[in-house]
Amino acid sequence: GENVEQHPSTLSVQEGDSAVIKCTYSDSASNYFPWYKQELGKRPQLIIDIRSNVGEKKDQRIAVTLNKTAKHFSLHITETQPEDSAVYFCAAVTNAGKSTFGDGTTLTVKP
Amino acid sequence: DAGITQSPRHKVTETGTPVTLRCHQTENHRYMYWYRQDPGHGLRLIHYSYGVKDTDKGEVSDGYSVSRSKTEDFLLTLESATSSQTSVYFCAALSPGRASTDTQYFGPGTRLTVL
Repeated sequence: GENVEQHPSTLSVQEGDSAVIKCTYSDSASNYFPWYKQELGKRPQLIIDIRSNVGEKKDQRIAVTLNKTAKHFSLHITETQPEDSAVYFCAAVTNAGKSTFGDGTTLTVKP
Repeated sequence: DAGITQSPRHKVTETGTPVTLRCHQTENHRYMYWYRQDPGHGLRLIHYSYGVKDTDKGEVSDGYSVSRSKTEDFLLTLESATSSQTSVYFCAALSPGRASTDTQYFGPGTRLTVL
């Protein structure tokens, strides 16, 4: 089955700096890669996603890159703010709808 | 949040008792999922459904069963609850190809404690 590895498990940055979270996947049938933000006690919320036919996607301060050959994808947050502090999850979804999540990254943005 | 509700939201039960969690969606999503979330493990897929009466196992399906008799409802059953099944359970739903993404929308979660 699919295996998704996410690094780092914790990340602390100063406000205004950039943050990068990386994920690798194993199943070449995965073709959709969403990223979720989860605040304490709340449900995961989609923040950005990318399909396998696209190499990069950007939405304001958030961007995702995908390297299909190497089977890895990354989340980039620029100009971080304290409200970006949360747990971030990557996921890989196959064309059959089966999804596998990484173990999460706890991001702390220090003011 | 895409009309996905879960019931109950909190439950405390005893080891060996059966438990059923319900997920209800109002957006006619084709796929539905059950995950459990434990510290250090992220979200792990228990079972998912790709249509009425069509289900498949996820990575942590042992001890759980599911049923989907109609599009809007996806039930998760613990036949005989164990303490290792204490967790937060999330339901999710998506419709491949609908709108511009295949976004999984999550329910609010159910906190289950097995004593």
